[in-house]
Amino acid sequence: GNSVTQMEGPVTLSEEAFLTINCTYTATGYPSLFWYVQYPGEGLQLLLKATKADDKGSNKGFEATYRKETTSFHLEKGSVQVSDSAVYFCALNSIYNQGGKLIFGQGTELSVKP
Amino acid sequence: GAVVSQHPSWVICKSGTSVKIECRSLDFQATTMFWYRQFPKQSLMLMATSNEGSKATYEQGVEKDKFLINHASLTLSTLTVTSAHPEDSSFYICSAPTSGRAGGEQFFGPGTRLTVL
Repeated sequence: GNSVTQMEGPVTLSEEAFLTINCTYTATGYPSLFWYVQYPGEGLQLLLKATKADDKGSNKGFEATYRKETTSFHLEKGSVQVSDSAVYFCALNSIYNQGGKLIFGQGTELSVKP
Repeated sequence: GAVVSQHPSWVICKSGTSVKIECRSLDFQATTMFWYRQFPKQSLMLMATSNEGSKATYEQGVEKDKFLINHASLTLSTLTVTSAHPEDSSFYICSAPTSGRAGGEQFFGPGTRLTVL
C-alpha cells in the first residue's frame, strides 16, 4: 500500500543553519507530493507541492524536488529562522487512493534556536 | 488560497455528553471532506471521509456510532462525538480538496481541541 516515511525528530538547529528533512514514499502510479507545516495549536498549512517527477516545489525559502528514481521528496532550506520552528509533515495523494485521501508521514518537529 | 473553518476551536465537556464540531468550506464547494484526529506529538490519523449526499466512509477501527458524520451541504460537514469520554480528548482537524479530482490539493481547518473531563 501507499506510505510515507520521514526522518525522526526532533531536529534542533541554530538560526541560519541549513535544513534537510528527509521524506521517502511508496506509492502506486504517480502520486502528488506535499509538505505541510503545523505551528503549535494550529491546523496544517500547505507549504509546497509537486505533482510530477522532477518538479520542484518552493515557498518561503523552502524547496523540495520530486525524485521518482529515489522515491523521495526531501525538504530543504538554506537558512532557517526561529519562526520556522514547527512540525513538518510530508504527504502523498494518489489517484489510486480511494477518494483522494492524503497519506501522511509521522511528522518531524523542528526547533530553531536563536 | 481556499479557506476552511472549524467551530468551535476548543471545547470542554463532561463525560457522557455529545459534542458537535463543524467544518465549513468558506469560498468553495466540497463534495468530500476528511476528518482527522491528532494526538500530541503524533501525526494525523484519518478517521473518515465525509460525502455530501451519502454516508460517510469510516477507516478501519473507527466506530461509526461513536463518531457521527453528516455532510449537510456542499460547504458543511459535522462530526458529532457521542457520549464522549476522556479517551476521546484529542485535536480534531478537517480538510477539503478544492477540486473533485483525486490527487489535488487539500486545505485544512484550524482544528478543534476537545477535552472531556
